[in-house]
Amino acid sequence: GQQLNQSPQSMFIQEGEDVSMNCTSSSIFNTWLWYKQDPGEGPVLLIALYKAGELTSNGRLTAQFGITRKDSFLNISASIPSDVGIYFCAGQLTDGGSQGNLIFGKGTKLSVKP
Amino acid sequence: ETGVTQTPRHLVMGMTNKKSLKCEQHLGHNAMYWYKQSAKKPLELMFVYNFKEQTENNSVPSRFSPECPNSSHLFLHLHTLQPEDSALYLCASSQERSYGYTFGSGTRLTVV
Repeated sequence: GQQLNQSPQSMFIQEGEDVSMNCTSSSIFNTWLWYKQDPGEGPVLLIALYKAGELTSNGRLTAQFGITRKDSFLNISASIPSDVGIYFCAGQLTDGGSQGNLIFGKGTKLSVKP
Repeated sequence: ETGVTQTPRHLVMGMTNKKSLKCEQHLGHNAMYWYKQSAKKPLELMFVYNFKEQTENNSVPSRFSPECPNSSHLFLHLHTLQPEDSALYLCASSQERSYGYTFGSGTRLTVV
């Protein structure tokens, strides 16, 4: 079945640093989504991308839909302590008017540098 | 209340117990989902309901039994679970299976 490879699996951030993570797939998608999950909560949608090449920002977050439709990245600029959490990418394919299910990556865990 | 509400937040049950998880959405969505989230694994889709009809069952064991009495409520009935079923169970909803699923906070299930 479809799989998403999300990397890195985990990373440590120092306040003020920029952060980058990405997701690749063996299949094409026509929607890419990025979610964040805080401990004890469900994932919350951060950014949605609908067109190949699209670059979308939400505050300090920027995400891009890869031209090949098989990848996406998320950048966080000038990180702050509340950015810690787990970030998930998700892809969805619409086929003949029928919406496919969301396929999720395994997540990138952001922690604060000790 | 707004969004997607799941109860209980935490549940500990024995392998011979029967319990139910509840999900309620106040967003006017017509598709609802159950996901299982285990450590170090991607979110696993379990069931999909579209306009109250079950449209997908991703090879989920019969010890998990979903129920969707209307488009706002979704239940997951549990019986004779195994310890490996311990996980965070997330409910989500969306408008006609389009983008932007809205998730609840989940039920943390522990089977002992």
